[in-house]
Amino acid sequence: AQKVTQAQTEISVVEKEDVTLDCVYETRDTTYYLFWYKQPPSGELVFLIRRNSFDEQNEISGRYSWNFQKSTSSFNFTITASQVVDSAVYFCALSEPWGDSNYQLIWGAGTKLIIKP
Amino acid sequence: NAGVTQTPKFQVLKTGQSMTLQCAQDMNHNSMYWYRQDPGMGLRLIYYSASEGTTDKGEVPNGYNVSRLNKREFSLRLESAAPSQTSVYFCASSELPTANSPLHFGNGTRLTVT
Repeated sequence: AQKVTQAQTEISVVEKEDVTLDCVYETRDTTYYLFWYKQPPSGELVFLIRRNSFDEQNEISGRYSWNFQKSTSSFNFTITASQVVDSAVYFCALSEPWGDSNYQLIWGAGTKLIIKP
Repeated sequence: NAGVTQTPKFQVLKTGQSMTLQCAQDMNHNSMYWYRQDPGMGLRLIYYSASEGTTDKGEVPNGYNVSRLNKREFSLRLESAAPSQTSVYFCASSELPTANSPLHFGNGTRLTVT
């Protein structure tokens, strides 16, 4: 069975610190996609990034960066110089075949990130 | 730029009551989904509709029914609410039901069943 583990339930840092959110996944598929979503206190879920299993290049978007390592089945998310607005719950998710030709996402339990001013 | 719109935002039901959660998207997406979010459990798929005219069960379909009314609208019905259905419900849509299609979410409905 496919699985996504976010071992860090809650992380609290002071503003401007760097912070890394861990995501470890299990799958038997050779082709798959990984996602990160953000859920701020207002409650909506916002798509951040998608990564396919054949692309192991790290990605950087402003203060956000993602480190995908197939050898350790990890897809970690780093926020550099954190800001209070980064406070949210962050979810990692893995695509899984479902039904005849569809897919669904398997979600981690989420990591609550608290950035203190 | 509405995206995915869910109604209502909050609802309190008594055990045994029924209700329908409404969802509409204006992005011309083919696929729509209903999830529930419970503390410490991430999101779990209740039902989905890969395309207009089709619906399929997700991971936790028991106690729910859905209707894909047209391409824009996908409703979730609780026929006889139970306290175990107290949760936050999210509707989502994607362009296609494929592995690489990101989901776009509504703002959620917080449902309490007493």
